[in-house]
Amino acid sequence: DAGVIQSPRHEVTEMGQEVTLRCKPISGHDYLFWYRQTMMRGLELLIYFNNNVPIDDSGMPEDRFSAKMPNASFSTLKIQPSEPRDSAVYFCASSLAGARSGELFFGEGSRLTVL
Amino acid sequence: AQSVTQLDSQVPVFEEAPVELRCNYSSSVSVYLFWYVQYPNQGLQLLLKYLSGSTLVESINGFEAEFNKSQTSFHLRKPSVHISDTAEYFCAVRVNQAGTALIFGKGTTLSVSS
Repeated sequence: DAGVIQSPRHEVTEMGQEVTLRCKPISGHDYLFWYRQTMMRGLELLIYFNNNVPIDDSGMPEDRFSAKMPNASFSTLKIQPSEPRDSAVYFCASSLAGARSGELFFGEGSRLTVL
Repeated sequence: AQSVTQLDSQVPVFEEAPVELRCNYSSSVSVYLFWYVQYPNQGLQLLLKYLSGSTLVESINGFEAEFNKSQTSFHLRKPSVHISDTAEYFCAVRVNQAGTALIFGKGTTLSVSS
């Protein structure tokens, strides 16, 4: 299996621009998670989906952030407008039957820099 | 609410020395506990987990962790580290309920030098 695939790996943009991060989970996995990693705050859960339905978005920092999962093989995280404080590494992860087994499979991350 | 505290942000050690990375958790209900490892420029990978049963769990590359309920700890240990163990290590907790995601600590950077 190809694993969780994220794109782009690196994104540099200017403040105010729209940013779209993409994720393809492992085929057959029914949960998808978006995490953000920064030096100051560590790994934060932003939102997660079960069977394409958002279950908990309480970690989404503000209305500038939105996430969608139109089908089982694709999800997007959008920031509009972007701000310098959004600079971070954004990880997508997928799992089977939630985290009951404990194993989340992570992508390699999308490193976002907002100037 | 659940939380995870990793007591050391950085742990420098020499090759072949023993190491312990400390993790404490807070939860009012039963927990599942995990250690993940992140190598440079990669995503996180599961290292080991405690779900139930024996409180001592081991990984395939020589790490072990012991669940201590009375001390609410899940420290990670290795008796002899290698240069290749250099990475960031994350402790995580999940409450014993369906559909809850993992909550991670802030991570501990293990640096092994010769």
